[in-house]
Amino acid sequence: GESVGLHLPTLSVQEGDNSIINCAYSNSASDYFIWYKQESGKGPQFIIDIRSNMDKRQGQRVTVLLNKTVKHLSLQIAATQPGDSAVYFCAENEYGNKLVFGAGTILRVKS
Amino acid sequence: DTEVTQTPKHLVMGMTNKKSLKCEQHMGHRAMYWYKQKAKKPPELMFVYSYEKLSINESVPSRFSPECPNSSLLNLHLHALQPEDSALYLCASSPLESATDTQYFGPGTRLTVL
Repeated sequence: GESVGLHLPTLSVQEGDNSIINCAYSNSASDYFIWYKQESGKGPQFIIDIRSNMDKRQGQRVTVLLNKTVKHLSLQIAATQPGDSAVYFCAENEYGNKLVFGAGTILRVKS
Repeated sequence: DTEVTQTPKHLVMGMTNKKSLKCEQHMGHRAMYWYKQKAKKPPELMFVYSYEKLSINESVPSRFSPECPNSSLLNLHLHALQPEDSALYLCASSPLESATDTQYFGPGTRLTVL
């Protein structure tokens, strides 16, 4: 079946720098995309979402960009903090409400 | 309040045991989900309930038996599990079973099968 994938399994950034986590998706019919953050021993936590009729959405310190032409999704975190260290998953919402997750990117923030 | 609660937090069981995982939400959501997550892997969908009825079963073995007794509760009954079933079991809920409804996850139950 179609799947969502990530380019970089691990990303290390210096505290205060901006982070960019990328995701490629293959299902051109997907209409809704979500980024989740998962800390060790916890469930995935919703960060931000975007619908296919948008190309950019901003939250608090986070921005999601969607490029439907190349089927690419990215999460930008401004002024990365140690508390941002976690695994980040992109997910696409296929038919019904079936979430398909990408492989995940580990974000490590160095102090 | 976007809280989904799960109990127990940890569970160790033998292959002949019968146990149950419990999930609860009080957000008025009408769709609830069970996911399985192995270490260093993304969550994988197991079951979807919509309005207390099973909507999706992702070809899960019958040793996993879901139950939705009411709109706030979701159970996962476990029987005759295998060691490879050891994983983090996540529950999630969303307002509806809609392609644009956000799913909110609980903290999970860490299951170990001996």
